[in-house]
Amino acid sequence: GAVVSQHPSRVICKSGTSVKIECRSLDFQATTMFWYRQFPKQSLMLMATSNEGSKATYEQGVEKDKFLINHASLTLSTLTVTSAHPEDSSFYICSAQSRLANYEQYFGPGTRLTVT
Amino acid sequence: GNSVTQMEGPVTLSEEAFLTINCTYTATGYPSLFWYVQYPGEGLQLLLKATKADDKGSNKGFEATYRKETTSFHLEKGSVQVSDSAVYFCALSFMNTDKLIFGTGTRLQVFP
Repeated sequence: GAVVSQHPSRVICKSGTSVKIECRSLDFQATTMFWYRQFPKQSLMLMATSNEGSKATYEQGVEKDKFLINHASLTLSTLTVTSAHPEDSSFYICSAQSRLANYEQYFGPGTRLTVT
Repeated sequence: GNSVTQMEGPVTLSEEAFLTINCTYTATGYPSLFWYVQYPGEGLQLLLKATKADDKGSNKGFEATYRKETTSFHLEKGSVQVSDSAVYFCALSFMNTDKLIFGTGTRLQVFP
């Protein structure tokens, strides 16, 4: 089946630094990738949608300059949290979508970010 | 706005017990409805879906029926197993958009 990986699974960084999270579709080409954020005991909230080779579309209230998304190839999207602050600590989840799989979204296992 | 509400967990059951996890939705229009499951350490996986009223989605012994009159999509299984222990998410989306709107998730714990 379709597999999506995320790296790293956990990361701790200091306030003011930037951290990059990778999302890869391992056995299929993903025309679209999605980035979600999940707070404890809350829903997954869609942050942005990215299509390969074009700029990401951000949801209302998500800072574009804070959460940089790059979808450089059909198998890789990255989320960079810039100048991280403790309130950015959260669980970040990506998903990848393929038109060949009836547009179903396949999810990565998530990345736990802790900003100290 | 569009939203999904599901019961808070954890739901704790003994093996072979009957499972119900409630899910209701608020939507303008006629969404598709989904149940996703997340096993420990893994990504969300699509469990089942229904695209129109009265449709029943089923997979791995789980079932859910799209009830337009009660705006519900409750997940049921007749006899749970320890291996069903996971977090279950109810979600909706519309045909003209890829966006999924999730509920908060319900943790199921099944003991032998």
